[in-house]
Amino acid sequence: QKEVEQNSGPLSVPEGAIASLNCTYSDRGSQSFFWYRQYSGKSPELIMFIYSNGDKEDGRFTAQLNKASQYVSLLIRDSQPSDSATYLCAVNTGTASKLTFGTGTRLQVTL
Amino acid sequence: DAGITQSPRHKVTETGTPVTLRCHQTENHRYMYWYRQDPGHGLRLIHYSYGVKDTDKGEVSDGYSVSRSKTEDFLLTLESATSSQTSVYFCATYRNTGELFFGEGSRLTVL
Repeated sequence: QKEVEQNSGPLSVPEGAIASLNCTYSDRGSQSFFWYRQYSGKSPELIMFIYSNGDKEDGRFTAQLNKASQYVSLLIRDSQPSDSATYLCAVNTGTASKLTFGTGTRLQVTL
Repeated sequence: DAGITQSPRHKVTETGTPVTLRCHQTENHRYMYWYRQDPGHGLRLIHYSYGVKDTDKGEVSDGYSVSRSKTEDFLLTLESATSSQTSVYFCATYRNTGELFFGEGSRLTVL
C-alpha cells in the first residue's frame, strides 16, 4: 500500500464548477498536509497546507482534513481553465521534515 | 522567486558517465532535499540534508550520492549513470512555514 494515494485522473470539470480532489494516507502519525499544484513542465508550487481537523479556506480553495479517516481533500470553487494542472498531495510524518507525495491528480477544466 | 537555482537545467549523457547536479539556495535554509519525478511514481525522495556535511538517504537513494559543504549548495552525483536514472530532478528547501519550496528542476536523459 502506498503511503499517500491519489486518483490519477484526469478529473474533468466544466468552467465555474467545483473540483474535488481527494487524498488518503497510511501513517496515522502524520502531522501536516499540503496541496501543491504543478503545471506541465514546471515545478510544484504550494497552494495550501492544513494541520488540524476541519476545513481551511483560502480564496477559491478549501482544504479539508479528517485524521480519523486519514483523508485530506482540496475543493476548488469556480474552477477556471487556468486551474488545469496536476495537483499533488503531500504528507509530513514529522521525520526530518520530509514530505511524502502522492502521484498526483490531473485536473482539466473545460470551457 | 529565485531562491533556488538548479544547474544544469537540461543534460543528455551516456550510460556509465558520472553526472553532478547542483542546487544553490540564497535563503540560508537548513534543510535541503533532492527528489526525482517520474510518470506513475510522482515525486520520490533521493537524499536530504539537515545541515552542512549532514546528509541522509531517502527512499530511492541507490546509485546516488550527495554532498553539502556549504549551507547554500547541495550536490547530487550519479557516479555511473544508467538509463533508469533518466528523470526530472527537483531540489527543494524547507521553509519555516513547514512547506517545501522547489527549484525549477533539472531534466536528465541517460542514453
